[in-house]
Amino acid sequence: AQSVAQPEDQVNVAEGNPLTVKCTYSVSGNPYLFWYVQYPNRGLQFLLKYITGDNLVKGSYGFEAEFNKSQTSFHLKKPSALVSDSALYFCAVRDLGQAGTALIFGKGTTLSVSS
Amino acid sequence: DSGVTQTPKHLITATGQRVTLRCSPRSGDLSVYWYQQSLDQGLQFLIQYYNGEERAKGNILERFSAQQFPDLHSELNLSSLELGDSALYFCASSPGLRGADTQYFGPGTRLTVL
Repeated sequence: AQSVAQPEDQVNVAEGNPLTVKCTYSVSGNPYLFWYVQYPNRGLQFLLKYITGDNLVKGSYGFEAEFNKSQTSFHLKKPSALVSDSALYFCAVRDLGQAGTALIFGKGTTLSVSS
Repeated sequence: DSGVTQTPKHLITATGQRVTLRCSPRSGDLSVYWYQQSLDQGLQFLIQYYNGEERAKGNILERFSAQQFPDLHSELNLSSLELGDSALYFCASSPGLRGADTQYFGPGTRLTVL
């Protein structure tokens, strides 16, 4: 069965420091991986995705993610955090085990950036 | 703004009642998905429609049903509501059925069952 794990419930970082939000996946076959962000009382906003090709994926708002097949990881990174980056971040993998194209989400990681 | 709209934003109802949540996908998108977000279950896939036809089912209760209309908007019907059905319900849309397609999410409908 496909699955994705976010091992940290919360990540705290100071403004201006680099940030990493971790994600590991388990799929049979090649994964399609996604990162979304959710601000309070808002829907999920798409940040970036890995489908194939370059292992370093660049996305919205200065975020990037590194696909590592050997470690089955897809960590989200940003070189310099902003207070406005504080939000709930979800990693997701395409569910290849059924006929549709649904996403399986991790439980989410709350990112808190202090000034 | 993702281009996906959902109504209503908030819904408060009583146990045993029935409600309908509505979703309009982004222009041109043929796939519509429904997800439920709750504190204990996280974000869970409920059901997907593609061009009017049911495509895949996830953890959707038998008390819940959905449909996609010819104009591609979708409705999620929740009946015999229980306290545990209180959650945020998201609709998402994508162009088609490619695994690489990005899903764009609406703002959600917050359902409170009293």
